[in-house]
Amino acid sequence: EVQLVESGGGLVQPGGSLRLSCAASGFTFSSYTMHWVRQAPGKGLECVSAIGANEVSTYYTNSVRGRFTISRDNSRNTLDLQMGSLRPEDTAVYFCARKSLLANFLDSWGRGTLVTVSS
Amino acid sequence: EIVMTQSPATLSVSPGERATLSCRASQSISTKLAWYQRKPGQAPRLLIYGASSRATGIPARFSGSGSGTEFTLTISSLQSEDFAVYYCQQCDDWPWTFGQGTNVEVK
Repeated sequence: EVQLVESGGGLVQPGGSLRLSCAASGFTFSSYTMHWVRQAPGKGLECVSAIGANEVSTYYTNSVRGRFTISRDNSRNTLDLQMGSLRPEDTAVYFCARKSLLANFLDSWGRGTLVTVSS
Repeated sequence: EIVMTQSPATLSVSPGERATLSCRASQSISTKLAWYQRKPGQAPRLLIYGASSRATGIPARFSGSGSGTEFTLTISSLQSEDFAVYYCQQCDDWPWTFGQGTNVEVK
């Protein structure tokens, strides 16, 4: 069974940093592109960042580029998101999701971890 | 960035009735569209990919159609477990973008 379990969320002050992690199991992690998707309170879903299976190709949405860094460790089956210069508008539940091998869509998701940016 | 627009924002439906949800893309995305179901406290669940292919384990009452810029998700006979928020997502161009969601609620 595919499992994605996020951790690392919490309360952080504006301008601060936080590192999210996603532990993957039940599939060959190193074969899949992985994504971070977030949902702000009362808002819709937003793709934040993605990383290719080869650990080289990375993608960011404009609002986080230069502040967030996505990375993965295929030997430990983990996906990370290092978040810096955090803003109140970064407050959201952050989901780890797996991109299908078949085509462009997200076929498995974690339950998410809440990040709150507030003073 | 491709803008996805869903309608209606809220759909009030009685159990057993049919629900039709719409999604429009600001430019053509061929059939690179997915639909997800979101319930509070749960992981989003993939329903439809490629605009019309049901994901593994998804009941046949869920169906998707459309191409280009206009898409539809139909739930043929709503069950109690189907009341949730539904999102469409374009997977044609980065950043992949979602619609704002349709809340399917009990009438």
